[in-house]
Formats: sequence, structure tokens, C-alpha cells
Amino acid sequence: QSVLTQPPSVSGAPGQRVTISCTGSSSNIGAGYDVHWYQQLPGTAPKLLIYGNTNRPSGVPDRFSGSKSGTSASLAISGLQAEDETDYYCQSYDSSLSGWVFGGGTKLTVL
Amino acid sequence: VQLVESGGGLVQPGGSLRLSCAASGFTFSSYGMTWVRQAPGKGLEWVSTITSGGGSTYYADSVKGRFIISRDNSKNTLYLQMNSLRGEDTAVYYCAKKVVPSKSWFDPWGQGTRVTVSS
Repeated sequence: QSVLTQPPSVSGAPGQRVTISCTGSSSNIGAGYDVHWYQQLPGTAPKLLIYGNTNRPSGVPDRFSGSKSGTSASLAISGLQAEDETDYYCQSYDSSLSGWVFGGGTKLTVL
Repeated sequence: VQLVESGGGLVQPGGSLRLSCAASGFTFSSYGMTWVRQAPGKGLEWVSTITSGGGSTYYADSVKGRFIISRDNSKNTLYLQMNSLRGEDTAVYYCAKKVVPSKSWFDPWGQGTRVTVSS
């Protein structure tokens, strides 16, 4: 059971917009800790997608965007492409656990 | 910036293993470092973090008392000593660089090294 809750799967047609939620609590996201997002292609290491809730590293397309409100955060992907079909993870810090925490991951399927 | 893990393999329950992560392309001694693992078919799990100078270390409850994180800044290398290994420690272990000193994100990540705990 992950500390941060993500939907196991989401799907969308090419060109559409999808969002992936990441729900935490008052000891992590709700405590003001930033949320970060990673993309993991099959058989490869995770790659940073969004940091500090809303920031994109250089090289990440602006189709990817992040937001945070209260005890939750979201990753939005617009203009879905076939290459976006993979796993996505959110990450934050938890003061009760005194450690970093991840969501359980969401598999995005492009229909 | 490159991180290359090594040291994974097959080990019996109760055994020990030491993972290494060789860093290059950045000033290793200026950054905290982290180990994250991923069990087969599962999600990411934070394992341990060490500060830039090695003075402070942090562990997930699942490995506390069994794993030891350390670093040698003269060799640009991060280590994870894993003792009393259990089946549930079977995973790909990634090392990653902390970007900022505080409750940071991790970037980049190494390619991972596979650890299998089985008799």
C-alpha cells in the first residue's frame, strides 16, 4: 500500500488529454512538500518529468504539465501520442515517515 | 552526468551483498544520493538517502537495521551494504542523485542493478 495513491491505469485516444492524480495526506503533500513526477519506459530507469509541482526539465515537451492543490497533485498530458504509453509515478516527502515516498504508479494506455 | 550501478546478483536468504554506484560528470561530493528499488512488476520504493558529506543517513523502515548506505567522495562512489537479505528485497536497485539539499527530487537515475534473494 503506497503512501501516495495513484489510479492503477488511465487511457485516452491519440490527441486527447488525460490526467493522473496523486493523492496524499497532511504529512506529505498536504504539509507543503513538493510533488515530482517520473516516466518509466519498459525495462528502463525512471526519468524525471516534472519537479517542484509544476516545473519541466529541459527536453520535456510542454504537453506535460503538473499541478498541486491541498493534499493532491496531478499530471496532465495533452495531445496524447503513442510514445506516451508507459508508467508514471509521483513522489514527495513524508514527515511522519521521515522519508521519501512514491505513488504506486499509473499505467497509461493510448487507445 | 552518469550513474552506473554494479554488485547485484543472486544471494541466499540471510546473506549479504554490497552494491556500488559510480558517478561521473558532476561534483559528486556536492550532492546527496539515494537508493530506490523496484520489485518485479511493482512500483518504486525509496530505500535510503545520504547527504553530500555522508554525515547524515536516512532509511526506509523496511530496511532499517539491515542496510547501510555510505559514500566515498574521493572515489565518486556510492554504496549500499545489504545484510540479512530477505526474499522481499528482490528488486532492481537504482541509485539517483538528489538535485537540491532539502526534500528533493531525484535526477538522474542509474540503469539499475538486479538483486535476487532466493535459495
